[in-house]
Amino acid sequence: EDQVTQSPEALRLQEGESSSLNCSYTVSGLRGLFWYRQDPGKGPEFLFTLYSAGEEKEKERLKATLTKKESFLHITAPKPEDSATYLCAVQAGRNSGGSNYKLTFGKGTLLTVNP
Amino acid sequence: NAGVTQTPKFRILKIGQSMTLQCTQDMNHNYMYWYRQDPGMGLKLIYYSVGAGITDKGEVPNGYNVSRSTTEDFPLRLELAAPSQTSVYFCASLAGTRSYEQYFGPGTRLTVT
Repeated sequence: EDQVTQSPEALRLQEGESSSLNCSYTVSGLRGLFWYRQDPGKGPEFLFTLYSAGEEKEKERLKATLTKKESFLHITAPKPEDSATYLCAVQAGRNSGGSNYKLTFGKGTLLTVNP
Repeated sequence: NAGVTQTPKFRILKIGQSMTLQCTQDMNHNYMYWYRQDPGMGLKLIYYSVGAGITDKGEVPNGYNVSRSTTEDFPLRLELAAPSQTSVYFCASLAGTRSYEQYFGPGTRLTVT
């Protein structure tokens, strides 16, 4: 069974204080690892897909990295508008019954950035 | 291009009532999904569809039904609503060719009392 664990559950930062969110996973053959941002009362918004260990993706103040066991979402010099819940999800590969592209989600990290 | 749309945004049901949550996507995606999100529990897959006429159960299908008569629409039916179905419901779609990320709708907040 695929599993995703995110830590910490909540993180409070001061504006400009860089930090990282962690996503540990177990999956039978990883097709992809996905990061989403979710604002209160809204649906998850896609941020990044990572496909193989060593891969990195960047978008503004966010950088996602991937190893064989975990992914990190690094937030550099965050601003209050970065406050949201960040969700991590994994998708099993084709040889592991992944032809339906289902996602297994973690419970998320609630990030609050204070001005 | 509206993406994934869901109606209604909010609904209150009495125990035992039925309703249909609507989901429509205009991206010509083959794959569609229904999730529920409860506080502190993450997103759980209810049902999914890999194309028109094809549906399958996810992790938490009990108390729900789906149909997929067209590529665009994937309604979720609740029969005999129970308080345990109080949740936020999200619909998502995925192309499945050259991109594998799911795109989510804005959600329906359902309360069963």
